Formats: sequence, C-alpha cells, structure tokens
Amino acid sequence: AQTVTQSQPEMSVQEAETVTLSCTYDTSESDYYLFWYKQPPSRQMILVIRQEAYKQQNATENRFSVNFQKAAKSFSLKISDSQLGDAAMYFCAYRSVGTSYDKVIFGPGTSLSVIP
Amino acid sequence: DTAVSQTPKYLVTQMGNDKSIKCEQNLGHDTMYWYKQDSKKFLKIMFSYNNKELIINETVPNRFSPKSPDKAHLNLHINSLELGDSAVYFCASSRWGPTEAFFGQGTRLTVV
Repeated sequence: AQTVTQSQPEMSVQEAETVTLSCTYDTSESDYYLFWYKQPPSRQMILVIRQEAYKQQNATENRFSVNFQKAAKSFSLKISDSQLGDAAMYFCAYRSVGTSYDKVIFGPGTSLSVIP
Repeated sequence: DTAVSQTPKYLVTQMGNDKSIKCEQNLGHDTMYWYKQDSKKFLKIMFSYNNKELIINETVPNRFSPKSPDKAHLNLHINSLELGDSAVYFCASSRWGPTEAFFGQGTRLTVV
C-alpha cells in the first residue's frame, strides 16, 4: 500500500524568506500523481501544485515550486517570498494512475507559521 | 456556484443520535469521496464512489452509510453517534483518473 510521510510537523519562516517543506512517499507503482494542498484556518482544502510522475520537469506555480526526486521518492515544496497568507497546514498527497482502487492518500501535514 | 458544497457546516448533537451530511458537486465529476479529519488534522479516506457505485470502504464502522442517489450527490448518514465520531468530515470529488480532488468546506461534527 502507498504511504505518504511528512517528517516536519511544524515549520516557521520569516515573511519574505524561503521555506521548504519535505515529503516522502512509498509506492511500487511507476506512474502516479503528487499534490500539495494547503489548509488555512478556514479549513478549506486548496490545491497548491501538482506533479505528474512521468514528467521530469519540476512543477511551479508562481511562488510555489517542487523538487521532485522520483528515485528517492521525495516531493518537497518550496515557498519563496513567504507571505502572511501562506500560514496554513500543508498536506502532501499521492494518487495512483489507472487503478480501480482510486483514492488520494494524504500525509500527516506540516503546520507552517509565517513570522512578520 | 460553489464547486463542491456540503451541508451543514457545523453539527452539534448528542450521543446516540442519527445524523446526515449532504454533499453536492457541480463539476461533472464521476468520483466522489468522504474523508475524515481528526483532531490532529490527519485526513483519512472513508469511502470512494465512482458513478454511484461504492469502490472503497476503508474499514469504516457500519454505523456510517454513504448514499449516492446520482453522480452529483454523495450523502453520509451516521447512526448511533459516538463521542469518537467528533471530527471534520470532508466531501470531495474528482474526475476518474489521475487528477486532483476538489474539496467541500467540511462539516465539523461535535458529539456531546
């Protein structure tokens, strides 16, 4: 079974600085999707960024980028120029491709604080 | 025109009661889910439906019964509520296959 691990329960960053959140996963599949979701205090789950495993190029979305290392099964999220609104729980997530056992598996989350 | 909407947002009820949470999506997705988020924020899948058919039941007590009257709706009925059922329940939907899931705003259930 696939598992997702986030080893940093809590992180903090100074406003305008850069922070990297770690995620590792375990799978025997060769093709899959990876996601980072943000959950602010409003508790709404918001997709931040997605990565397709067959694509070697790292995904970027404005200030958010990932470092996807397929062999190492690592998928870290870098937030540049951190803003107060980035303070939230961040969840790394995994989804299989082409399987009937379809679900999105989440890591335990990292709580990010942004210090003014 | 909310994509995935669930009602109610908050639900406070006594032990032993039966309650339902409703979910609707207007994205035309084939797949819908229920997730439970516990007090430590851990998100765990409960059920997954594809085209109204149950495809995943993650060893959830049979007091929880999902019902999908059509592809756009997936409701969750809970019988004989227990204190340990207190959590935030999220409905989500996605297209079948390797795409992201879209989430509702969650229902905070408190059992007293």
